[in-house]
Amino acid sequence: EAQVTQNPRYLITVTGKKLTVTCSQNMNHEYMSWYRQDPGLGLRQIYYSMNVEVTDKGDVPEGYKVSRKEKRNFPLILESPSPNQTSLYFCASSSWTSGSDYNEQFFGPGTRLTVL
Amino acid sequence: QQQVKQSPQSLIVQKGGISIINCAYENTAFDYFPWYQQFPGKGPALLIAIRPDVSEKKEGRFTISFNKSAKQFSLHIMDSQPGDSATYFCAARPSGTYKYIFGTGTRLKVLA
Repeated sequence: EAQVTQNPRYLITVTGKKLTVTCSQNMNHEYMSWYRQDPGLGLRQIYYSMNVEVTDKGDVPEGYKVSRKEKRNFPLILESPSPNQTSLYFCASSSWTSGSDYNEQFFGPGTRLTVL
Repeated sequence: QQQVKQSPQSLIVQKGGISIINCAYENTAFDYFPWYQQFPGKGPALLIAIRPDVSEKKEGRFTISFNKSAKQFSLHIMDSQPGDSATYFCAARPSGTYKYIFGTGTRLKVLA
């Protein structure tokens, strides 16, 4: 089954304790991205990657790191989490065809993070 | 900062009615405008998308209308059904980039 998986699905942690949220896709997609979803703010892009070793900042990259060492994996790293990073996080992936009407992003099920 | 403004924040429609959600963008050229549908507890899923060289796109009961001069685009759901109850996000991709800017979302409830 084609899918994007995220782990963990739920995480409660404390301020300053480094954590990693994993994301993996089995569709051989070039493009992967991380978003956070907050009430009243919608989805905001954190980082994205066009391919292995190619990453770039979205609109809200502060406090986050990513890496893309393999095509299928795109982990999100919070080196020193703070309470304002409490949010619902989504990973997404898509193929990328220039000029296509559909660069459909497939989203994972989400990771709900609480930072105390 | 690039923005996409979405309205209304919430919408209640009777079964069989038309649901209309509007989005507007400012001061930036965008080349792709997707709409995503999200059910509670799930990730968003692509519903329909349009490019700025097209004024309207229809897929089943879902239609995107695009007004380039006004920098506005809207989603119309015809014959709305209770199963359409979800949160809808518009989005836009700035030309020449791989970024996505999402609207703040509209929570739609269709009454049976």
